[in-house]
Amino acid sequence: AQSVTQPDIHITVSEGASLELRCNYSYGATPYLFWYVQSPGQGLQLLLKYFSGDTLVQGIKGFEAEFKRSQSSFNLRKPSVHWSDAAEYFCAVGQNTGNQFYFGTGTSLTVIP
Amino acid sequence: KAGVTQTPRYLIKTRGQQVTLSCSPISGHRSVSWYQQTPGQGLQFLFEYFSETQRNKGNFPGRFSGRQFSNSRSEMNVSTLELGDSALYLCASSLGMAGELFFGEGSRLTVL
Repeated sequence: AQSVTQPDIHITVSEGASLELRCNYSYGATPYLFWYVQSPGQGLQLLLKYFSGDTLVQGIKGFEAEFKRSQSSFNLRKPSVHWSDAAEYFCAVGQNTGNQFYFGTGTSLTVIP
Repeated sequence: KAGVTQTPRYLIKTRGQQVTLSCSPISGHRSVSWYQQTPGQGLQFLFEYFSETQRNKGNFPGRFSGRQFSNSRSEMNVSTLELGDSALYLCASSLGMAGELFFGEGSRLTVL
């Protein structure tokens, strides 16, 4: 069965510091992988996605993620965090037979000045 | 271009009642998906509609149902509400398969 694990429920980083959010997935075939961000009171916004090809994916707002098949991981990174990055981040895995996605439980990011 | 619109944004119901939530997708998007978001559980897939047909269904009881109209607008219905149905219900639209989901701001349901 497909599943997504985000081991870190909550992360606190200082503004300007680097960030890595972990995501591990369980999926039988080649996965379609996504990272979404949710600000308070808002819907989710796509940060980046991986379908195939280059395993290092660039997204919006300076985020990137690396697909590692051997580790079943798709970790999200940002070299320098801004206060506006404080939000909830969700990793998701999907398939090519529709728009049924499996989301992780999310990682809440706090940015301290 | 208008985004995904969900109505109502907030609602309070009592156990045993039923509720209908509405979602208007982005113009041109034919796929509409529904997710339930609760603290600790994250987002759980309810169902997806494409061109008025249910294409995928999650693991929810039959009390949860949905439909899609010819203009791609979608509704979901929850009958015989239970306390555990309190959640944020998110609608997302998409152009095609396994594509980017565009989410609405959600309908927050509280069951008393």
